[in-house]
Amino acid sequence: EDQVTQSPEALRLQEGESSSLNCSYTVSGLRGLFWYRQDPGKGPEFLFTLYSAGEEKEKERLKATLTKKESFLHITAPKPEDSATYLCAVQLQGGSEKLVFGKGTKLTVNP
Amino acid sequence: GAVVSQHPSRVICKSGTSVKIECRSLDFQATTMFWYRQFPKKSLMLMATSNEGSKATYEQGVEKDKFLINHASLTLSTLTVTSAHPEDSSFYICSARDGRGMRYNEQFFGPGTRLTVL
Repeated sequence: EDQVTQSPEALRLQEGESSSLNCSYTVSGLRGLFWYRQDPGKGPEFLFTLYSAGEEKEKERLKATLTKKESFLHITAPKPEDSATYLCAVQLQGGSEKLVFGKGTKLTVNP
Repeated sequence: GAVVSQHPSRVICKSGTSVKIECRSLDFQATTMFWYRQFPKKSLMLMATSNEGSKATYEQGVEKDKFLINHASLTLSTLTVTSAHPEDSSFYICSARDGRGMRYNEQFFGPGTRLTVL
C-alpha cells in the first residue's frame, strides 16, 4: 500500500531557530512529490514540486530536497508568520493525477 | 496567478437537505478539478476527480449518488451533498489543475467549505 509519513507531528521553534521537516514515502513508483502549507481553516497553499532524487527548490526561508525514500523541508531562520501545518503529498506513476497526502507537521514559531 | 475560489465558505444545514458547493478557477482554465474532504487532524482524502465535460471518477468508498459532481466548464466544478446527515459534516476542499505550460502538474487549492449538518 502506498504510504506517506510525515514527522514530527508537531514542532515548536524559537524565531531564528532553523530546523527540518521530514516526509518519507513508500510507493510503487513516484511521479512527483509536493509540499503545501495550510493555515487553520484554509485550503493548502502550493509551495514546491520535486520530481527526481537530488532535486532541490527554494523559496524565501524554505528549501525542499528529495531522495529516493524521503523529502525534507528545511526552514532557515523561521519567523512567527511561518507557523502553519506543512503537508507533503506524492503523486504516483501510471498516469493518475491523484495526490496521496501525509497527515502534516504543525509548525509553531514563537517570537 | 493560479487562484481558486470556493463558495460558500461556511454552510449550516438541516439533516436531509442538499447542499451545493462551487469551485472556480479564477485566472486559468482547469482541465481537471479534484474534491477532497478533511477531518480534524487528518490527511486530505481525495473524493473524486473530474474532467470538464465528462463524468467524475470517484475514489473507492465514496458514494457517487450522495456526492454529485458536475464539471460543466473549464472554470467551474460543483459538489452537491445530497440528503446530508451529521456524519457528512466536514471541511470540503477543491483543487484545480491547469494541465498546460510550466504549471501543468500542479494542483491549486481553494479556501475550503466548512459544512455542518445539524
